[in-house]
Order: sequence, then structure tokens, then C-alpha cells
Amino acid sequence: DIEMTQSPLSLSASVGDRVTITCRASQSISNFVNWYQQKPGKAPNFLIYAASSLESGVPSRFSGSGSGTDFTLTISSLQPEDFATYYCQQSHSIPWTFGQGTKVEIK
Amino acid sequence: EVQLLESGGGLVQPGGSLRLSCAASGFTFTTYAMSWVRQAPGKGLEWVSTISGGGTSTYYADSVKGRFTISRDISKNTLYLQMNSLRAEDTAVYYCAKAPYYDSGKRLDYWGQGTLVTVSS
Repeated sequence: DIEMTQSPLSLSASVGDRVTITCRASQSISNFVNWYQQKPGKAPNFLIYAASSLESGVPSRFSGSGSGTDFTLTISSLQPEDFATYYCQQSHSIPWTFGQGTKVEIK
Repeated sequence: EVQLLESGGGLVQPGGSLRLSCAASGFTFTTYAMSWVRQAPGKGLEWVSTISGGGTSTYYADSVKGRFTISRDISKNTLYLQMNSLRAEDTAVYYCAKAPYYDSGKRLDYWGQGTLVTVSS
């Protein structure tokens, strides 16, 4: 199975900050990475596919990059509604696996 | 508007069975693969199972293989997860989710609100 390791597992930031979350795959997976956002008590919300393609309706302050084993999710200017937990997921091979999640909290 | 509504969760004893349902609307049900993803309390997301749009192909995580069965009823636009031989470690919120592909659940673009399964004596 492909293991996905996120860092940091939590971070504190202020509104307007630039935030970067990293995800590392245990083997090369080209650009087969998706990103999801989850708020407490809610279902995950799909943000980014193929490492850098923004899902329709997702604000442009979200962006993704990377290939091979290292990937990043960046929020260019953190908004109040962005405080949530973010998960990466590899879409290279079954079983689809997720990172542990990164919780973005208010500083 | 795509809507996914899960039901069937509850408290069950270890070794017991439960069937989850997910009623789908707002899209052509047979066109897209559907998946189940679970989340144990306070933990991350774990993919459980995927079924193709036509229902002919199914995929399972090793942790549930042989105990869980995914299926879909196209006449009812409903996805199911039959869970047998339940264990304490199956305790989780179970989400159904839609994929934008016919035969792959490699990404999930719409999710239901989840249903809680608690396995405990």
C-alpha cells in the first residue's frame, strides 16, 4: 500500500496568512494526488485533483503542486472559512489511501 | 444538485451485521462509480470499498474484504454496504461518495453527510 505522510499535523495561522501543507508519498505516484477539506462534524469537501487542478467552485486562493513523491497544498490568503482539517489522498493505485490530516487552527 | 443521503447506522454487537444505504439523486446513477469511506472517532479517512457504475466491478480494502459487500440498486438509485462479522475497530462514521468516473473511485467529488456505526457490547 502507498503511505501518505502529511506535515505538519497541525498549525496555527492568522487570517490573511499564506499556509502550506506538505504531503509525501511512500513511492513515486506521478501527479495522482487529491486534496480534501473537512470541517468539524461535516463531510469532506473535494478541493484539488491531479495534484494541481482546482475543482469547479473552489476559490482560487487554494492551489496544489508537486509530482513524484512530494506534494503541497497552499492557501494564499487564509480566510475564516478555511479553518479546517485538510487531507491528501493518492489516486495512483488501490487501496486509495489518505494522509493523516493537517488541522489548520486560528492563531 | 447532487445529493447523497446515508442511513442504516446504529449500535451493533461485535460479530453482528448491519446494512448501510445511500440514496442518490441529482445525477445519472449508473454513470458513476460509488464508494464508501469511513472515519473512526477523532481519526482520519479510510477508503473502504468502490463499485463501478454498472455494478459489475467491486473493490475492497483488505481490512473489510470477506466481511463487507458493496452493491447498488439502479431501480432505487441506492448504494448499499452490507457489513458482517463486525468488530470494534469498524466503529466509524461511514460516508458514501460519488466518483466522476464510471469504473474508478480514485477521486470523490461529492460526499454524503455520513452515518455512525458503533460496534460495542
